[in-house]
Amino acid sequence: TQLLEQSPQFLSIQEGENLTVYCNSSSVFSSLQWYRQEPGEGPVLLVTVVTGGEVKKLKRLTFQFGDARKDSSLHITAAQPGDTGLYLCAGAPGGSEKLVFGKGTKLTVNP
Amino acid sequence: KAGVTQTPRYLIKTRGQQVTLSCSPISGHRSVSWYQQTPGQGLQFLFEYFSETQRNKGNFPGRFSGRQFSNSRSEMNVSTLELGDSALYLCASSLARVKAGNTIYFGEGSWLTVV
Repeated sequence: TQLLEQSPQFLSIQEGENLTVYCNSSSVFSSLQWYRQEPGEGPVLLVTVVTGGEVKKLKRLTFQFGDARKDSSLHITAAQPGDTGLYLCAGAPGGSEKLVFGKGTKLTVNP
Repeated sequence: KAGVTQTPRYLIKTRGQQVTLSCSPISGHRSVSWYQQTPGQGLQFLFEYFSETQRNKGNFPGRFSGRQFSNSRSEMNVSTLELGDSALYLCASSLARVKAGNTIYFGEGSWLTVV
């Protein structure tokens, strides 16, 4: 059983469209992180959300942490080809020191 | 500031052989953690080293081992390779222990193919 479930698994859209990807769990996390991984490279941290209900914006990317701290979402506005990549959510559940990752959402933005 | 460096980047091994992968963390970082990434299982935690001591271990068999040197550089070893060990092995470093909310920096990974 995957501790962090991400959906959708794959997403292919046209440039300029909006999209939302989700990261859900039955466990409570003190914080969740979002990473983007491009082909042939390691994941790069985009944001860390810490407070339940928190919303963080990074240019066209909006991240939200659920009130119960069990889920998070990433919304991209006016997607661009440069947004293409694998988006991963990660967290350490219940005070654990082991970081667990979702399987990711593979996003392709077509020009 | 140099990032996390992993060597080798690509390697092919035969079943039954062993392999050693190397990771040089960002200067000043004392924590090094290792992850295995496969299409089926995603990114899975292998182990974390801090101050030359293994602090945490994931659910992998004893064929997977690692160590950290006094300069924080780390190596991981996989013995008696199996086909299922084919994966991208990622190393990440951080200033402090890996905890919720801490920032970790990943290397580009070592692609291992077992034939």
